Amino acid sequence: GAVVSQHPSWVICKSGTSVKIECRSLDFQATTMFWYRQFPKQSLMLMATSNEGSKATYEQGVEKDKFLINHASLTLSTLTVTSAHPEDSSFYICSAMDRDKGNSPLHFGNGTRLTVT
Amino acid sequence: RKEVEQDPGPFNVPEGATVAFNCTYSNSASQSFFWYRQDCRKEPKLLMSVYSSGNEDGRFTAQLNRASQYISLLIRDSKLSDSATYLCVVNTYNQGGKLIFGQGTELSVKP
Repeated sequence: GAVVSQHPSWVICKSGTSVKIECRSLDFQATTMFWYRQFPKQSLMLMATSNEGSKATYEQGVEKDKFLINHASLTLSTLTVTSAHPEDSSFYICSAMDRDKGNSPLHFGNGTRLTVT
Repeated sequence: RKEVEQDPGPFNVPEGATVAFNCTYSNSASQSFFWYRQDCRKEPKLLMSVYSSGNEDGRFTAQLNRASQYISLLIRDSKLSDSATYLCVVNTYNQGGKLIFGQGTELSVKP
């Protein structure tokens, strides 16, 4: 079945550094990928929609200069958390839409647990 | 009002019990509906899609009432392995196909 690979699975970084998270669709082409964030005991909150070859669309309240998204190919989107702070510690999950399967359910990456110290 | 609202949990039930989860959504333009399951500290996994006619997959039955903007999930003969958080998810095409998640309902099945 379709697989979305997310890397790294977990990362610990110091406050002020930047962290890049990769999301790859392994056996399908994804024109659209989504980035979510989940705090403990809360639901997934959509941060931004990443479209291949164009700028990402950010949800209200999400700082585009802090969360940089690049979707340079049909199989790869990256999220960079710039100048990370402890409050950015969270579970980040990407998902991808199969270009050839219209509006079928999304496939999720395994998530990245970010801890900023 | 949240776009997708679910029963607040947690639900603690004995093995073999039947448990029902409810969900409402606010956007009448929503087109497709899903139940996802999320285990602790893991990514969500699709449990089942929800169709207007209702659909069943083994012990799981999903129902959709578009007029009431209401979705349900019924789990029969619950197993210990059913313990997880169940997420009601709505896809509204006029918002570019992005998924909107409910806050989730935690289920704990006890022996």
